[in-house]
Amino acid sequence: EPEVTQTPSHQVTQMGQEVILRCVPISNHLYFYWYRQILGQKVEFLVSFYNNEISEKSEIFDDQFSVERPDGSNFTLKIRSTKLEDSAMYFCASNGQGSDTQYFGPGTRLTVL
Amino acid sequence: QKEVEQDPGPLSVPEGAIVSLNCTYSNSAFQYFMWYRQYSRKGPELLMYTYSSGNKEDGRFTAQVDKSSKYISLFIRDSQPSDSATYLCASNTGNQFYFGTGTSLTVIP
Repeated sequence: EPEVTQTPSHQVTQMGQEVILRCVPISNHLYFYWYRQILGQKVEFLVSFYNNEISEKSEIFDDQFSVERPDGSNFTLKIRSTKLEDSAMYFCASNGQGSDTQYFGPGTRLTVL
Repeated sequence: QKEVEQDPGPLSVPEGAIVSLNCTYSNSAFQYFMWYRQYSRKGPELLMYTYSSGNKEDGRFTAQVDKSSKYISLFIRDSQPSDSATYLCASNTGNQFYFGTGTSLTVIP
């Protein structure tokens, strides 16, 4: 069964550093998303991406964040100048044309020290 | 603004019990209503989704939506220890999705 994959599973970084989280969505899906989940809190929408551009973003997704689809398979989230409060699980998700249901990856645990 | 509200629990039931999980939402523009299951330190896994008022059944799971009262429910029949997880309700407007806080469920053998 196709699935969304994410790498790395755990990323540790120093405050102020840049990180890139990688996702490979399900191959025939067209809509891509990033979410974050701070430990013990709800899943929060960050951004949705369609047709090589951001379609919607939340107020969390400020200039510190950017997304990119550098090739036909990867979807990345870049966090510049990381802060302690960026420590969270980051989930990628995708869904296909005509479907509003998303399939989530296993997540990347980001720890900012 | 809390778009989707969900009682976080925790909820603990004996094996075989019927479980009822509930959410309310505030946005009349919400289109799809989803239930996800999330195991500890894992990504949410889609269980069921529906877009209309009424019931949708899948095995031991029944999703119920009442748009007039903005109420979403998930019923689990004959609950099993393997059902122990956090259950998240969610909905969307367009490509923006909103999740509840999740309800932690433990099914005791």
